[in-house]
Amino acid sequence: QLQLQESGPGLVKPSETLSLTCTVSGGSISSSSYFWGWIRQPPGKGLEWIGSIYYSGSTYYNPSLKSRVTISVDASKNQFSLKLSSVTAADTAVYYCARVHPVDTGMLRTPGYFHHWGQGTLVTVSS
Amino acid sequence: IVMTQSPDSLAVSLGERATINCRSSQSVLYSSNNKNYLAWYQQKPGQPPKLLIYWASTRESGVPDRFSGGGSGTDFTLTISSLQAEDVAVYYCQQYYSTPFTFGQGTRLEIK
Repeated sequence: QLQLQESGPGLVKPSETLSLTCTVSGGSISSSSYFWGWIRQPPGKGLEWIGSIYYSGSTYYNPSLKSRVTISVDASKNQFSLKLSSVTAADTAVYYCARVHPVDTGMLRTPGYFHHWGQGTLVTVSS
Repeated sequence: IVMTQSPDSLAVSLGERATINCRSSQSVLYSSNNKNYLAWYQQKPGQPPKLLIYWASTRESGVPDRFSGGGSGTDFTLTISSLQAEDVAVYYCQQYYSTPFTFGQGTRLEIK
């Protein structure tokens, strides 16, 4: 059974870089044609898509965060990671990783719906 | 694409029908395959969202058949035909037609 688990610091100082890792078990990140994504949810608020990465490494980012976000895959560890730089209090949120079902959009295969989710990890930005 | 759900909150009696609406600011119907790029999720307190419906009306495996999705283009509905106590949650719609992928603001469903 596929499981995803987020890990990383729960507290990050303003202006620093938030770094999270999602460890996938019950399936291989590189042997299946899925996207892998990050979504966040500020306390008491709604969901915001951060970005997605294909198992081959191609990435899709939310333009509102694109200048600060890097998502990468480490197939050898069956993990993918999120880095968000120059954080502020507005980046305080529960961060979820998810497996994303691919969909066909014209000639392209693009990220679709979020099929499996991790439990999420709360990251607080505070000095 | 802006996703707008209505109502923001809803109270329904046990066994009654609950209907949640979702409107997109532009069509999420892809003409070449006639599919609506729209999903619905359920989020219970302290839990991650759970996929209920994709392609606007395809129920995810294991989701009870009292949940159904409908609509096309820009207007969609999630219907729970007979509300059960375990359905208390916040429900979100999401479009995956184009980036940035966006969610509705959520609809909180409670028991009357």
